Amino acid sequence: EVQLVESGGDLVQPGGSLRLSCVGSGFTFSNHWMTWIRQAPGKGLEWVASITPGGTEMRYVDSVKGRFAVSRDNTKDSLFLQMSSLRVEDTAVYYCARLAGTTSIFDYWGQGTLVTVSS
Amino acid sequence: DIQLTQSPSFLTASVGDRVAITCRASQDIRDYLAWYQQKPGTAPKLLIHTASTLQSGVPSRFSGSGSGTEFTLTISYLQPEDFATYYCQHRHSYPITFGQGTRLEIK
Repeated sequence: EVQLVESGGDLVQPGGSLRLSCVGSGFTFSNHWMTWIRQAPGKGLEWVASITPGGTEMRYVDSVKGRFAVSRDNTKDSLFLQMSSLRVEDTAVYYCARLAGTTSIFDYWGQGTLVTVSS
Repeated sequence: DIQLTQSPSFLTASVGDRVAITCRASQDIRDYLAWYQQKPGTAPKLLIHTASTLQSGVPSRFSGSGSGTEFTLTISYLQPEDFATYYCQHRHSYPITFGQGTRLEIK
């Protein structure tokens, strides 16, 4: 059974930093693109970043470029999101998701981890 | 960026009804469209990808159609567990974007 488990969400002050983690199991992690998607309270879904299976290429939504960095450690079946210069508008539940093959179809999702940016 | 606009944003229906949700893209996205279902407090679930391909394990009362700029998610014979929020998502190019969501509530 495919499982994705996020962790690392917390309350952080504006301008602060936070690192999210996602551990995958039940599939060959190193074969899949992975992604982060977020959802602000009561709002819709926003794609944040994606990373290739080997971790050599990344894609970001413009609003996080230069502030967030996605990475992975395939030896530990883990995906990360390093977030810095956090803003109030970054407050959201952050989901990690697996991409099906080489497509941007998000076929499995974690349960999410809440990041709250507030003073 | 490609914008996706869903209609309606809110929909009420009864068990047993047939409903349709539309997703319009701001430019041609071929068939690079997926649909997700989200229930409160849970992660989204993939229902349909590539406009009309039913994801494994999803009931056949869900169907998708369309190409280019206009797409439809149809749910035939609504079940109590279908009341949720539905999102469309394109994968034509970066940035990937989602529609604003359609909330389906029981009448």
